[in-house]
Amino acid sequence: SQQGEEDPQALSIQEGENATMNCSYKTSINNLQWYRQNSGRGLVHLILIRSNEREKHSGRLRVTLDTSKKSSSLLITASRAADTASYFCATDDGGAQKLVFGQGTRLTINP
Amino acid sequence: GAVVSQHPSWVICKSGTSVKIECRSLDFQATTMFWYRQFPKKSLMLMATSNEGSKATYEQGVEKDKFLINHASLTLSTLTVTSAHPEDSSFYICSARRTRETQYFGPGTRLLVL
Repeated sequence: SQQGEEDPQALSIQEGENATMNCSYKTSINNLQWYRQNSGRGLVHLILIRSNEREKHSGRLRVTLDTSKKSSSLLITASRAADTASYFCATDDGGAQKLVFGQGTRLTINP
Repeated sequence: GAVVSQHPSWVICKSGTSVKIECRSLDFQATTMFWYRQFPKKSLMLMATSNEGSKATYEQGVEKDKFLINHASLTLSTLTVTSAHPEDSSFYICSARRTRETQYFGPGTRLLVL
């Protein structure tokens, strides 16, 4: 079953602009992770944020986590054409030790 | 980063045949691997958790007799789709857990059943 929803489902922006994707979830979590998937390929791990963290950075990526609202956001700054992909959040509840994925956001960066 | 491979990367088979997909962790040992299924433009749905040396744990609604999982070693898990039918056509992705919090994903296997 899916943990929650991602918003928007699709996002198209111009190269150089910032892209923000949101993820909501339903249950308590141990951590939340963001992945990227290029079309027809496997998933690439981007960043992990633990339940006791509020913000994390990695290069052009910025992730926030609000456990009171059960939501997270992924910001990609200064987007590039190579950032075109689907982005998924996944939650780890710390119990079953399995990831539950959101619906994903399809991001298109127009050159 | 760690590498997980899948073989084959794509397969076309006739309805009624069985197809085996391999998932290997190439540079680390994984006591736990996961199998996911993904439909076009959809998210990943966890099918089962594969544990080395023990039976797999299937998610609700996944037929264990249809999707046979074998985790015979610390670097290999296999998923066999038995008596495949067109509705089994999908993209199957495995992952291997390296640490408590970290999974590495394979490149996926595209199955088309005619």
